[in-house]
Amino acid sequence: NAGVTQTPKFQVLKTGQSMTLQCAQDMNHNSMYWYRQDPGMGLRLIYYSASEGTTDKGEVPNGYNVSRLNKREFSLRLESAAPSQTSVYFCASSIVQTGELFFGEGSRLTVL
Amino acid sequence: EDQVTQSPEALRLQEGESSSLNCSYTVSGLRGLFWYRQDPGKGPEFLFTLYSAGEEKEKERLKATLTKKESFLHITAPKPEDSATYLCAVQPSGTSYGKLTFGQGTILTVHP
Repeated sequence: NAGVTQTPKFQVLKTGQSMTLQCAQDMNHNSMYWYRQDPGMGLRLIYYSASEGTTDKGEVPNGYNVSRLNKREFSLRLESAAPSQTSVYFCASSIVQTGELFFGEGSRLTVL
Repeated sequence: EDQVTQSPEALRLQEGESSSLNCSYTVSGLRGLFWYRQDPGKGPEFLFTLYSAGEEKEKERLKATLTKKESFLHITAPKPEDSATYLCAVQPSGTSYGKLTFGQGTILTVHP
């Protein structure tokens, strides 16, 4: 039972490069989320998708775009990476619109 | 602005030494308060949801309680495997998605 799968697990980028973080869940959940976790800041919501076909901004959306490709997959794109985007990114999903989130293992991104 | 403050930042216990973690919150209206456990290098794992003051939830050596201003996570006779970071999060009322506001976490270390 895979749950929430994120790729890649680690990535190093140079300032200005672009990349996409992939997330897939196999629990048939409707809602999916992208959070970032920084030391001393806690987890902060970047974007979320309440259901297939919908996306909306969270607390810290600047510099990111998302795509809800289908019910299973929700990707996060950095168009022009900046050092301030160095962080650990977590994808999560939930079966209904609740706070009981199921998280992936994270993607550790370093922007030089 | 919704805020969640956890204390202490770090807690070191001897095996069997019971203690409590605190989560103070400021929110315009509370839909739910959540506790998660996070192991190093992993994503958070859901523990409890509390919805109203006076509510309590238990799981093995953990018990979560809720008042109108704070929540406590009581750990009874902890074991080394309870070592982890414990995260508290609130879901404000009026938000129907997993738009959680997280605290910074308490790092718990239990020594044998």
